[in-house]
Amino acid sequence: AQKITQTQPGMFVQEKEAVTLDCTYDTSDPSYGLFWYKQPSSGEMIFLIYQGSYDQQNATEGRYSLNFQKARKSANLVISASQLGDSAMYFCAMREGGYNQGGKLIFGQGTELSVKP
Amino acid sequence: DTGVSQDPRHKITKRGQNVTFRCDPISEHNRLYWYRQTLGQGPEFLTYFQNEAQLEKSRLLSDRFSAERPKGSFSTLEIQRTEQGDSAMYLCALETGGAYNEQFFGPGTRLTVL
Repeated sequence: AQKITQTQPGMFVQEKEAVTLDCTYDTSDPSYGLFWYKQPSSGEMIFLIYQGSYDQQNATEGRYSLNFQKARKSANLVISASQLGDSAMYFCAMREGGYNQGGKLIFGQGTELSVKP
Repeated sequence: DTGVSQDPRHKITKRGQNVTFRCDPISEHNRLYWYRQTLGQGPEFLTYFQNEAQLEKSRLLSDRFSAERPKGSFSTLEIQRTEQGDSAMYLCALETGGAYNEQFFGPGTRLTVL
């Protein structure tokens, strides 16, 4: 059964430092996609970054990068040069199947990140 | 362009009452999803539509829950005989059809059952 695990309920990071948020997943489908979303206290879900199971390189998007280790089934989010506005809940999610198939997202429990000035 | 509104944004109801939520995409999107998010948890999948066809329903979606997407555009989610355990944020999401076909979420409807 597909499952996403985020083992860090809360994390603190100093402003301008880098932080890694952990995510492990489980699936038997060889084709899948991994997503990270940010949810500030205002409640909206904001898409950050995507990694496909067949992608050869780790995804990067501005200050966000994804450390994808397929054999370990992990997809950790790295935020570089943390800013105060990065304080939020972060969710890792997985979609089974190929890009065009669409399908539900399975979310982890989330990690609450607090950036200290 | 992807955008979605949800109505109402907040709903307070008494146990046993029926409630209905609406999700309105601003443009055409084939696939529309409903999720439920309780406090401190990640969203949980409830159901999804491809055009007007409801293709998958979660086991979370008990007999008291029903969803429709009559013309393949807006969607409604109805909860009958609400229970306190139904208190949650109900999120609607659309696939963007972009490079990653990620899901774009609406602002949600926060339901409180007294």
